[in-house]
Amino acid sequence: NAGVTQTPKFQVLKTGQSMTLQCAQDMNHEYMSWYRQDPGMGLRLIHYSVGAGITDQGEVPNGYNVSRSTTEDFPLRLLSAAPSQTSVYFCASSYDFEDTEAFFGQGTRLTVV
Amino acid sequence: KQEVTQIPAALSVPEGENLVLNCSFTDSAIYNLQWFRQDPGKGLTSLLLIQSSQREQTSGRLNASLDKSSGRSTLYIAASQPGDSATYLCAVRPRLRYGGSQGNLIFGKGTKLSVKP
Repeated sequence: NAGVTQTPKFQVLKTGQSMTLQCAQDMNHEYMSWYRQDPGMGLRLIHYSVGAGITDQGEVPNGYNVSRSTTEDFPLRLLSAAPSQTSVYFCASSYDFEDTEAFFGQGTRLTVV
Repeated sequence: KQEVTQIPAALSVPEGENLVLNCSFTDSAIYNLQWFRQDPGKGLTSLLLIQSSQREQTSGRLNASLDKSSGRSTLYIAASQPGDSATYLCAVRPRLRYGGSQGNLIFGKGTKLSVKP
């Protein structure tokens, strides 16, 4: 019963490098989303998807890219890492995007130097 | 714009005490409100989900209430234990004015709870 799985758990990047944060869920949820958590700012929505092939921007999308080719996977790509992207990233999923419970992964702690 | 506030930011209580965590939100147009627990360096664990039509939900020693008209929710923890020490987050899922939803959760900044033996 894996739920929402994120990899890696920790990552250090140099400025300008690119990488992909992986997120997978095994609950057949249609809705998936990415948040970043920063001290004093709380959790903020980066991108979301309401189903395979459909994605949209959240509150803080700049510098990030997403795609949703399958129901299970929703990777987050950092195109050219910047120190401002140092944060903890959480992937979440729910059966739909209205009134069902949201489940979160364990997070990826990213440091950009 | 929906805003979620949690007071207090930190709370320290002796073991065994009953306690209440508060959450307020500025717009009553929500689908639901969810309470989470976050341990240091860990992810968010869902505790309780209250639909907008509900008044309260219970799970074990936890009871969450929702007063949508006043924009308030409380999380009641009975007989607190050191293992309850964590940060508690509340989040609302807003309903857009024209209908539908972006599907996102709007989070408060959390209450850091410390239960001392």
